[in-house]
Amino acid sequence: AQKITQTQPGMFVQEKEAVTLDCTYDTSDPSYGLFWYKQPSSGEMIFLIYQGSYDQQNATEGRYSLNFQKARKSANLVISASQLGDSAMYFCAMREGTSNTGKLIFGQGTTLQVKP
Amino acid sequence: GAGVSQSPSNKVTEKGKDVELRCDPISGHTALYWYRQSLGQGLEFLIYFQGNSAPDKSGLPSDRFSAERTGGSVSTLTIQRTQQEDSAVYLCASSLLGLGTSGTDTQYFGPGTRLTVL
Repeated sequence: AQKITQTQPGMFVQEKEAVTLDCTYDTSDPSYGLFWYKQPSSGEMIFLIYQGSYDQQNATEGRYSLNFQKARKSANLVISASQLGDSAMYFCAMREGTSNTGKLIFGQGTTLQVKP
Repeated sequence: GAGVSQSPSNKVTEKGKDVELRCDPISGHTALYWYRQSLGQGLEFLIYFQGNSAPDKSGLPSDRFSAERTGGSVSTLTIQRTQQEDSAVYLCASSLLGLGTSGTDTQYFGPGTRLTVL
C-alpha cells in the first residue's frame, strides 16, 4: 500500500490566487515528519516546509502553509498569492520516527502550472 | 555555504558498462542518502550512510548497485553492468543529524546525475 498519496497529477492556478496541493499519508508510527519539496524543471529538489506529528500548530513558511489534519492523515500544502515561478512539480514526503533509516518516502508528485 | 554537489550532471553509457556517480555533501552533515527518480515518478530510496556506521543498503535494487562513503564525507554510487532500466536521475541528499533525531533534520538535495543507458 502506498504510504504517501498525491491524487492530483496536475493542477492549474491563476497568478496571485491561492492553491492547495493534496497529500494523504499512511503510517502506524506515532512519531513522524512530513515534508514538502519543490522540483522545478531544472531538477533540483528544494525544501519548502516541515510538519512534525506532535506539532500543535500548522507549519508556515512565507507563502507556504501546511494544512495538517492528523485524524484524517492529510498534510495539504497551501501556496498563497501564486507566482509564475511557483510552476514546478511538488512532492510530499514522510519520514517515520522508528524507521531503520532516516529515509524519506515520497509521493508521486503534483505538477503545478501558474497561469499569467 | 555550499550545498550538496553531484557529478557528473549527465552521464550517457552503453548497456553493460560500469558507472560511478559522485556526491559531495554539505560540510558537517553526518547523514547522506541516495535516491533514484525515474521519469515522471517520485523518489525511491537507495542507501543511507550515518557517520561511521555501516550503511543501510535496504533500498538497493540489485547487487549491481553499491556505494561507499569515504572519510564520512564524499560518497560514490557505483552501478555495474548497467541495464536500460537503470536510466534515471540519481539524487543525493545530506542532513545534519540523520537517524534517531527528533525534529525536522531536513534533507538537502543535490542537483542530481541524469543517467542514460543506451
